[in-house]
Amino acid sequence: QQQVKQSPQSLIVQKGGISIINCAYENTAFDYFPWYQQFPGKGPALLIAIRPDVSEKKEGRFTISFNKSAKQFSLHIMDSQPGDSATYFCAASRDSNYQLIWGAGTKLIIKP
Amino acid sequence: GAGVSQTPSNKVTEKGKYVELRCDPISGHTALYWYRQSLGQGPEFLIYFQGTGAADDSGLPNDRFFAVRPEGSVSTLKIQRTERGDSAVYLCASRTTGGSGEAFFGQGTRLTVV
Repeated sequence: QQQVKQSPQSLIVQKGGISIINCAYENTAFDYFPWYQQFPGKGPALLIAIRPDVSEKKEGRFTISFNKSAKQFSLHIMDSQPGDSATYFCAASRDSNYQLIWGAGTKLIIKP
Repeated sequence: GAGVSQTPSNKVTEKGKYVELRCDPISGHTALYWYRQSLGQGPEFLIYFQGTGAADDSGLPNDRFFAVRPEGSVSTLKIQRTERGDSAVYLCASRTTGGSGEAFFGQGTRLTVV
């Protein structure tokens, strides 16, 4: 019930393409769903987050799509750039204590 | 400081030794978290402090691990009798209570037990 399953494990996208990473959760008590970006040797940095009262949130080239009934959410990176090459993690938590349960990560490579 | 600071950035220790990892959170952040990240994995929750007290320590793997935050600011994660399986990156994060809820992470301490 505590797991967050993330796919794919790795992804290669051409520059200018759309990168899509998917996550699924089981615990219906989760009410906060962030995506983090991590570069080698650095800590994770919050990219974008969503709460279950909306189905989509867009910030610049990054969009989260959220499907509450399916218990799934995804990250879309439009016009992917080489600088987006990093590892991306989805996570979920109950906002009250903010203990994040993390996916296993997706290593994204954007080819120039 | 401007961000969450963790020291040391790298620590190599011999099996059986004791280590301390330090976290300086963003000034004014009342909540502080420790996570452990193994190679190729997502971070795994260890412990959460609200002020000086440990609000949730359910993620600590065993009694060799202990963390303190005596004045509600700096936190120290302490590992006794280290084992090779303790090798990982230990991440610290802090956030304000309320507001946007964003947690800010430090760069981590890479612990290697040889």
